[in-house]
Amino acid sequence: GDSVTQMEGPVTLSEEAFLTINCTYTATGYPSLFWYVQYPGEGLQLLLKATKADDKGSNKGFEATYRKETTSFHLEKGSVQVSDSAVYFCALSDNTGNQFYFGTGTSLTVIP
Amino acid sequence: DTAVSQTPKYLVTQMGNDKSIKCEQNLGHDTMYWYKQDSKKFLKIMFSYNNKELIINETVPNRFSPKSPDKAHLNLHINSLELGDSAVYFCASSQGRGVEQYFGPGTRLTVT
Repeated sequence: GDSVTQMEGPVTLSEEAFLTINCTYTATGYPSLFWYVQYPGEGLQLLLKATKADDKGSNKGFEATYRKETTSFHLEKGSVQVSDSAVYFCALSDNTGNQFYFGTGTSLTVIP
Repeated sequence: DTAVSQTPKYLVTQMGNDKSIKCEQNLGHDTMYWYKQDSKKFLKIMFSYNNKELIINETVPNRFSPKSPDKAHLNLHINSLELGDSAVYFCASSQGRGVEQYFGPGTRLTVT
């Protein structure tokens, strides 16, 4: 079945460091891919999305490119801030649109 | 204005009790979901309704029963609460299936 695998955390970075959180997926057909962010004590918020191969989603300095050849959707940010400290979830919507799969989440802490 | 709201935000109750969590969305979406997030942040879909019709019913105990009185509401009723039901429950909504979902702030359920 379809699934999403993301790198385990926790990840701790210094402010202004480069961030990469790896996400790979297994799916039949052409899924849509998403990154969500969960700040402490809050619900999940959509960070960015891509609906077809080679699409790049971007928002708030974060980027991720839908790579069909490597079945990946890695999240990157060039310079993280303390306010980026949160849990990040990679997610996939399957071909039918009936199923939504979340990764296990990666906790990021940015220290000043 | 809150897009997806849940009540209550916190719920502390004893084993064996019956409780309900309410969810309302004012986004005009036609699809709503319930998720359970455990202490390790793992997110698992429980139910999904599209236009008041149940479309996803994952393997959850039948003590959990969703009810959708209209497209804007999806409530979750839990009978005979158990210790293992302690978690954060999130409601979400989307316009159509397979697209980005908007999450509520969560209800932290603690069963003692």
